[in-house]
Amino acid sequence: DIVMTQSPLSLAVTPGEPASISCRSSQSLLNSNGYNYLNWYLQKPGQSPHLLIYLGSNRASGVPARFSGSGSGTDFTLKISSVEAEDVGVYYCMQALQSPPSFGPGTKVDIK
Amino acid sequence: QVQLVQSGAEVKKPGASVKVSCKASGYPFINYSLVWVRQAPGQGLEWMGISNPNGGTSYAQKWQGRVTMTRDTSTRTVYMDMNSLRSEDTAVYYCARVKRNLGTDFTFEYWGQGTLVTVSS
Repeated sequence: DIVMTQSPLSLAVTPGEPASISCRSSQSLLNSNGYNYLNWYLQKPGQSPHLLIYLGSNRASGVPARFSGSGSGTDFTLKISSVEAEDVGVYYCMQALQSPPSFGPGTKVDIK
Repeated sequence: QVQLVQSGAEVKKPGASVKVSCKASGYPFINYSLVWVRQAPGQGLEWMGISNPNGGTSYAQKWQGRVTMTRDTSTRTVYMDMNSLRSEDTAVYYCARVKRNLGTDFTFEYWGQGTLVTVSS
């Protein structure tokens, strides 16, 4: 099974400042079709998770442009260009390449 | 719009079984797989298994023999049945719909509101 790790596990950010979360997989998530099967989800307090980024760098429908995903192979990054108060929650990366799909431990983002 | 509405919270005794439902609307039910994801209190997300449009299922090895996922096309509902419950099964159980309607897909685009299952004597 593919193991996902994230860093940092918690992050406090000043509104308006950028934030970055790293995700690493134990195996390459780059498929022969050229896509990286890495997704990002945000779980806001008291809510269900929702999809932010899929295939490494594609924003899901309705996701603000301040969120971006990058990386390839085993190393990936989620960036928030200018954090807003509504961005608080736990961010999870997840590999979608093979069964069983697996999540990282999550990164908790708070506002300073 | 796509909606996944799950059944209400359950309280069960150790050794009992629980059946959680997930009713889908707003899209062609027969075209998409649905998955179940578990979240223990204060913990992360854990994929449990998938119910495919043709009725086929695949479970994480951890749940083999204890979890059964079924779907009723007539009511657009998917069910997750877990037996031999223990206290460690206390968690919120989410259903989610995959993004693509063809082939195997593990991108979970739409989520239900979650169902809290509490196992306590």
